[in-house]
Amino acid sequence: DIVMTQTPLSLSVTPGQPASISCKSSQSLLHSDGKTYLYWYLQKPGQPPQLLIYEVSNRFSGVPDRFSGSGSGTDFTLKISRVEAEDVGVYYCMQSIQLPYTFGQGTKLEIK
Amino acid sequence: QVQLVESGGGVVQPGRSLRLSCAASGFTFSSYGMHWVRQAPGKGLEWVAVISYDGSNKYYADSVKGRFTISRDNSKNTLYLQMNSLRAEDTAVYYCAKDLETWGQGTLVTVSS
Repeated sequence: DIVMTQTPLSLSVTPGQPASISCKSSQSLLHSDGKTYLYWYLQKPGQPPQLLIYEVSNRFSGVPDRFSGSGSGTDFTLKISRVEAEDVGVYYCMQSIQLPYTFGQGTKLEIK
Repeated sequence: QVQLVESGGGVVQPGRSLRLSCAASGFTFSSYGMHWVRQAPGKGLEWVAVISYDGSNKYYADSVKGRFTISRDNSKNTLYLQMNSLRAEDTAVYYCAKDLETWGQGTLVTVSS
């Protein structure tokens, strides 16, 4: 199975400041079709996960442009340009290049 | 808009069975692969199973293979998860998800004697 490793596991950010989460996979997520199957989700307290970013860097419908994703191969990053109070929750990366699909451990974001 | 509503969760004894349902609306259900993902209390996300748009292909996590069966009824816009031989470690909120893009609110399954 592909192991997804997120760092840090928690971070505390002042509103208006940037935040960054790293996700590393144990194998390349680059498919022969040219796409890289790396997703980012946010799970707000008491809610189901919501998709933020698909295929490394594509924002899902309705996701604010302060969220951005980057990376390639096995190293990926989610960045929030200016954290807002509504961004609190747990962020997960996930790979879907190989079954079973696997998630990172999650990164808990809190507001200072 | 896309709506997914899970049902069928509850408290069940170890070794017993339970069937979860996921009612879909707001999109062409028969055109999309569907997933079940679970989350144990206070833990992270674990992918459970996927079924192709027409039901012809199904894949499972090793932790549930041979005990759980994913299925769908495209005429009823409904996804199912038949869970047999339940164990304490199957206790979790079970989410259905359209193509892993949109998720339901989840249904809680508690396996306890």
